[in-house]
Amino acid sequence: AQSVTQLGSHVSVSEGALVLLRCNYSSSVPPYLFWYVQYPNQGLQLLLKYTSAATLVKGINGFEAEFKKSETSFHLTKPSAHMSDAAEYFCAVNLSWTDKLIFGTGTRLQVFP
Amino acid sequence: AAGVIQSPRHLIKEKRETATLKCYPIPRHDTVYWYQQGPGQDPQFLISFYEKMQSDKGSIPDRFSAQQFSDYHSELNMSSLELGDSALYFCASSLESAQETQYFGPGTRLLVL
Repeated sequence: AQSVTQLGSHVSVSEGALVLLRCNYSSSVPPYLFWYVQYPNQGLQLLLKYTSAATLVKGINGFEAEFKKSETSFHLTKPSAHMSDAAEYFCAVNLSWTDKLIFGTGTRLQVFP
Repeated sequence: AAGVIQSPRHLIKEKRETATLKCYPIPRHDTVYWYQQGPGQDPQFLISFYEKMQSDKGSIPDRFSAQQFSDYHSELNMSSLELGDSALYFCASSLESAQETQYFGPGTRLLVL
């Protein structure tokens, strides 16, 4: 069975501070991993995805994530938070023999001025 | 660039009524996925179609059915609606398989009264 765990349902940072959103997965085989962002009343937008080509993945809006197999983690980071980063962030996993994305419970990021 | 189109964006129904949600994938995408996101929850996979055939099935109630048509658009039919069906319903599309990025539509917000 595979699952995704996002530690911290709410994260608050000051504008300009480092953003770190945690995601751990449980899978017996290397999965495909994704980070999506959801702004209020909007759909899910892909930030980045890991497909085994490189362990450090760069995405849109200055976000990046590092795949660490030894820690079964895929944490999302951004060096300097912007007010416009305030949103809900979902980590998701997919295995090769299934269509579905399995999402974590989400982390709501708040950015204070 | 063209995105996934969903209609309607908002829908209000009474209990025991039926609802039909439509999804128009990104041009040339042949795979469509449906997800349900309850209030404050993560998206849950319902069903997917590849080349007009059901390719995977998740936690979709028997009251729900879906299909993909020759033009690749998909419809989710929901009957005997219950209060608990109130949710945001997302459609996503991709090329060939879920290992390709799933691009999400803006969602249809269904409210069952």
